[in-house]
Amino acid sequence: DAMVIQNPRYQVTQFGKPVTLSCSQTLNHNVMYWYQQKSSQAPKLLFHYYDKDFNNEADTPDNFQSRRPNTSFCFLDIRSPGLGDAAMYLCATSRRLAGGGGEQYFGPGTRLTVT
Amino acid sequence: GENVEQHPSTLSVQEGDSAVIKCTYSDSASNYFPWYKQELGKRPQLIIDIRSNVGEKKDQRIAVTLNKTAKHFSLHITETQPEDSAVYFCAATPKGGNAGNMLTFGGGTRLMVKP
Repeated sequence: DAMVIQNPRYQVTQFGKPVTLSCSQTLNHNVMYWYQQKSSQAPKLLFHYYDKDFNNEADTPDNFQSRRPNTSFCFLDIRSPGLGDAAMYLCATSRRLAGGGGEQYFGPGTRLTVT
Repeated sequence: GENVEQHPSTLSVQEGDSAVIKCTYSDSASNYFPWYKQELGKRPQLIIDIRSNVGEKKDQRIAVTLNKTAKHFSLHITETQPEDSAVYFCAATPKGGNAGNMLTFGGGTRLMVKP
């Protein structure tokens, strides 16, 4: 079941201290996504890559950055975490279909705590 | 952009009863409608999906119906079991372009199945 892998599963960081979350996939999917999910809410898309093309959601704070060095890996960098950034961060992948509507496969998530 | 409304936000049923969760969407161009189940602390997992060229799809105790004219779709779970207890998210995907794989989630429904 380890098709989308996220590390670490739990991350504690201090207020303002940069943190990097990682995601890797064995599915060879060309689209990768980062979501933020707070308690009892739907996942909120932060950004996605179609191959190396980066797409930022309009309301994603500048504090959040991402890198995708190759097909398999994607990183989420939070430059100066605030208390409001404590959340579950979900990575997902999909195969882009010409007609749209490909299933997204989610990783187990990284739960970020900011102290 | 797409907007997805989901109701109810919480649903409590007795084991063995049926559960119905309803979603409406705003973008008539949407053509893919997945349902995800998320257990506490775990990743969202696809349980069933439907495309706009189909009105109904069934998989054992789970079924989804789609009314394109009214722009709503529903999840039906029959003979509910305690392990069905989770948060369920509906989603819609617009057709085509780079947006073709983007999911717009509903707000989620917390289903509780009482033994």
